[in-house]
Amino acid sequence: ETGVTQSPTHLIKTRGQQVTLRCSSQSGHNTVSWYQQALGQGPQFIFQYYREEENGRGNFPPRFSGLQFPNYSSELNVNALELDDSALYLCASSLGVVRGQRETQYFGPGTRLLVL
Amino acid sequence: AQSVTQLGSHVSVSEGALVLLRCNYSSSVPPYLFWYVQYPNQGLQLLLKYTSAATLVKGINGFEAEFKKSETSFHLTKPSAHMSDAAEYFCAVTKTGANNLFFGTGTRLTVIP
Repeated sequence: ETGVTQSPTHLIKTRGQQVTLRCSSQSGHNTVSWYQQALGQGPQFIFQYYREEENGRGNFPPRFSGLQFPNYSSELNVNALELDDSALYLCASSLGVVRGQRETQYFGPGTRLLVL
Repeated sequence: AQSVTQLGSHVSVSEGALVLLRCNYSSSVPPYLFWYVQYPNQGLQLLLKYTSAATLVKGINGFEAEFKKSETSFHLTKPSAHMSDAAEYFCAVTKTGANNLFFGTGTRLTVIP
């Protein structure tokens, strides 16, 4: 069973640029969530995708957008990068809701983004 | 609204000593509670989760946590610390029907030889 994978592992961008981060969910998982973890902080929820549709969003501006593909892999896109976007971006996959129970989220290793 | 508070951003224990990491939650409905561990330069690994089945939850690597509704707490314990336990620990909460986890700010555990 393959776990959650993310690419790239590290990325350096400059202010104003755009970035795309990628996530492959664990085999069989149909739900992907993205989190931003700033240095010294806990992860903060950006949004979730379930069967290719956005299924909840945290307090992030519209320049944070995403996609989920038919194979349940996902992309996180950030436009007009700001210095404060420097963080570890974590992807988590799960089975969503099974028999009324919200299933556990399993996290990938993250992509560390530095904005200069 | 759901949130968690982790008391103590840094905890140091001697190898072989008891580990106690504190987490208090705030939730308007019965919560699901989680502890995750993050090793340096890695993602989050699930240690254990509470989903209302049993108040004492056993996890991996010898960790366990007890849900105490009267104290709104979900503290993480391990009887005997090992050097490999040195990491950042996060408490998280969600609820039935919610889409996301709310994380605490984390507690960095240092194990002294």
